[in-house]
Amino acid sequence: QKEVEQNSGPLSVPEGAIASLNCTYSDRGSQSFFWYRQYSGKSPELIMSIYSNGDKEDGRFTAQLNKASQYVSLLIRDSQPSDSATYLCAVSGNTPLVFGKGTRLSVIA
Amino acid sequence: ETGVTQTPRHLVMGMTNKKSLKCEQHLGHNAMYWYKQSAKKPLELMFVYSLEERVENNSVPSRFSPECPNSSHLFLHLHTLQPEDSALYLCASSQSPGPNEQFFGPGTRLTVL
Repeated sequence: QKEVEQNSGPLSVPEGAIASLNCTYSDRGSQSFFWYRQYSGKSPELIMSIYSNGDKEDGRFTAQLNKASQYVSLLIRDSQPSDSATYLCAVSGNTPLVFGKGTRLSVIA
Repeated sequence: ETGVTQTPRHLVMGMTNKKSLKCEQHLGHNAMYWYKQSAKKPLELMFVYSLEERVENNSVPSRFSPECPNSSHLFLHLHTLQPEDSALYLCASSQSPGPNEQFFGPGTRLTVL
């Protein structure tokens, strides 16, 4: 059974701080890693993808991947109240994506 | 709005009704998916279609019946549902099945009375 684990939260951070979201996965053959953001009552929206070890930056978002530790994270710099949402980690080897339960982030103004 | 549309957005049905959910993707993708999202649970993959062929069925009850007439359209036919089937049903598409980014439609909020 391929699993993706996330702390359900809520993770509360003050506005302007760095939010750090973590995800671990069980399948060592995983090749593709994604972060989705889901606002309450809405569908998931892809915000980051990462395929190789290291960091990948896109604006205020940085994805970090460590395949040896089977760990992927998402950093959100200068957090804004509009970043308050549930963040889903998704992982795949040669199969469709496996999603974690998501971490709820609350950015306090 | 994304390149994936779903109708209806909200649906209330009785346990004896028959209804269908529709999904359409305008992204030129070859794979389409149905997911179920219930409160406090992760996304549950229900069906995967690649080029109109079903490639995965994750032990979904037969009261859910998918149909993929072409690579742009996907339906989920519902009959004799149970109250525990109430959930958000999401359609997604990707370039091909497997380790590819998926793009989601807005979902259908289903309530079974």
